Amino acid sequence: EAGVTQSPTHLIKTRGQQATLRCSPISGHTSVYWYQQALGLGLQFLLWYDEGEERNRGNFPPRFSGRQFPNYSSELNVNALELEDSALYLCASSRGQGGGYTFGSGTRLTVV
Amino acid sequence: GNSVTQMEGPVTLSEEAFLTINCTYTATGYPSLFWYVQYPGEGLQLLLKATKADDKGSNKGFEATYRKETTSFHLEKGSVQVSDSAVYFCALSSPEGGYQKVTFGTGTKLQVIP
Repeated sequence: EAGVTQSPTHLIKTRGQQATLRCSPISGHTSVYWYQQALGLGLQFLLWYDEGEERNRGNFPPRFSGRQFPNYSSELNVNALELEDSALYLCASSRGQGGGYTFGSGTRLTVV
Repeated sequence: GNSVTQMEGPVTLSEEAFLTINCTYTATGYPSLFWYVQYPGEGLQLLLKATKADDKGSNKGFEATYRKETTSFHLEKGSVQVSDSAVYFCALSSPEGGYQKVTFGTGTKLQVIP
């Protein structure tokens, strides 16, 4: 089966612009999770979507937002980009049964 | 709230050495425990998991035992290889939120030298 796919692989934006990151979960997985992995800071939970609804949100400002589409794919939007938003953004999916996540390879966002 | 504490790296070992990466946790209820591995330039992969006390998760020669009395889930491997060089993350999910939200530790970088 196809894994979790993320696009684009790399994204370079200037400060103040908006970035849109995309994620397609494994077929049959209804939950999508977004994490930020900044250099040296581990994984910080951003957002969790399930069945099209936002279920939980991490400690990030409102300029980080997203949505989940009827086919369970998801989009993460970051508005008014700041230099410290430069990070690897990881998407994961699960069936929602607590068995752990399957991660995509991530989108490397660089803000200059 | 939930939290995971793992030993700071980097950990540098010679090939065939014994590996231990310590992990302790704080959680509400009865969590499930995981180890994930991230190879350079890649996303995270689930390495092993355990869902109840005294369970031992194992995969690719790695093992970890769910110790509820010490709230620990230490990762071990008897003989590491250069190909094991990666960042290892301890993680948990708890009944809060139906076991769906996973909390990660900060990661421990392992470097194995020939």
